[in-house]
Amino acid sequence: AQSVTQLDSQVPVFEEAPVELRCNYSSSVSVYLFWYVQYPNQGLQLLLKYLSGSTLVESINGFEAEFNKSQTSFHLRKPSVHISDTAEYFCAVSVTSYDKVIFGPGTSLSVIP
Amino acid sequence: NAGVTQTPKFRILKIGQSMTLQCTQDMNHNYMYWYRQDPGMGLKLIYYSVGAGITDKGEVPNGYNVSRSTTEDFPLRLELAAPSQTSVYFCASSHEGFEAFFGQGTRLTVV
Repeated sequence: AQSVTQLDSQVPVFEEAPVELRCNYSSSVSVYLFWYVQYPNQGLQLLLKYLSGSTLVESINGFEAEFNKSQTSFHLRKPSVHISDTAEYFCAVSVTSYDKVIFGPGTSLSVIP
Repeated sequence: NAGVTQTPKFRILKIGQSMTLQCTQDMNHNYMYWYRQDPGMGLKLIYYSVGAGITDKGEVPNGYNVSRSTTEDFPLRLELAAPSQTSVYFCASSHEGFEAFFGQGTRLTVV
């Protein structure tokens, strides 16, 4: 069965600094990969997704993630964070289009003014 | 654009009481999920369903029951509420293994 690991439970970073949130998955077959964001006291929203094609995917608010099949990773990056990026970030994976989505434990990003 | 709707948003239960958390989606998704999220913790899958009439246990099913009589609805039942069930509950739906859409959550406190 597939699983998702997010090694960093908390990531503090200063405003306008770059950030990388790490995500690794375990699966020997093709996967779909997702990043979700949860702002305080809200539900989860899809940030970006990889289904196929280009391994670099981008969101509308400046985040990007790169699918690395050999390292089974899907790390999330942003070159310059804002206070408004403070949130919980969840990585998720599904093995095929016929399997349920599995979530990682989440990474809490805190942007310091 | 309703998406996934959960009711109620907040609820306080006494130990031993029962209640049903309602979840409905209007996207014709076949997969639906129930998660709980404890403070500072990630999502724990309680139950999921891959279609009407089909349900299966997730990581933490004890103390909960579900049913899926229609594509749209996936209610979660707590029969004998316990303090350990104090949590925020999220319902989600997806078209098979594609991206999941979440409701706004139900904050439940058992006292």
